[in-house]
Amino acid sequence: AQKVTQAQTEISVVEKEDVTLDCVYETRDTTYYLFWYKQPPSGELVFLIRRNSFDEQNEISGRYSWNFQKSTSSFNFTITASQVVDSAVYFCALSDLTGANNLFFGTGTRLTVIP
Amino acid sequence: NAGVTQTPKFQVLKTGQSMTLQCAQDMNHEYMSWYRQDPGMGLRLIHYSVGAGITDQGEVPNGYNVSRSTTEDFPLRLLSAAPSQTSVYFCASSYPGSSGNQETQYFGPGTRLLVL
Repeated sequence: AQKVTQAQTEISVVEKEDVTLDCVYETRDTTYYLFWYKQPPSGELVFLIRRNSFDEQNEISGRYSWNFQKSTSSFNFTITASQVVDSAVYFCALSDLTGANNLFFGTGTRLTVIP
Repeated sequence: NAGVTQTPKFQVLKTGQSMTLQCAQDMNHEYMSWYRQDPGMGLRLIHYSVGAGITDQGEVPNGYNVSRSTTEDFPLRLLSAAPSQTSVYFCASSYPGSSGNQETQYFGPGTRLLVL
């Protein structure tokens, strides 16, 4: 069965600090996808990144970067020089077995950036 | 494009009442899904559809019905509301993608439901 663990329930950092959000997953699929979504205080879910299990290259998008390591079944998310607008709940998700693009979500990490 | 829209934004029901949560998308996405979000539990899949006339159950389908008569709309019906159905409900849609390829789901703004 699919499983996604986000062990950090809440994290607080001071503005401009770097922060890493951890995501560990379990799956028996040989091909799978991993995602990160952001849920700001307004409540909507914002797509951040999709990563195929065959692509282990790290990705950087502005202040955001992702470290995918199949050897440790982890897909961690780092925010560099955090800003108050980064305050949100961040969800890691794994493709589920329905074959309909559905996702199995972790329980989320609430990030608070203190000005 | 409006993307994925959901109505209402907020609803209060009494135990035993029924209601329909509406979801529509204007992106011509074949796949649509419903999730519920509860504190500390992430999002869990309720029902999903891979096209008009085709629906299937997700992880937590009990107490909910769906139908898909058009590509654009995917309503979620609560037959007899219970306090355990107090939650935030999200609708999502996506393109089917090619075989073995998972496309990104795009989510609506959510409906907050309180059952008293």
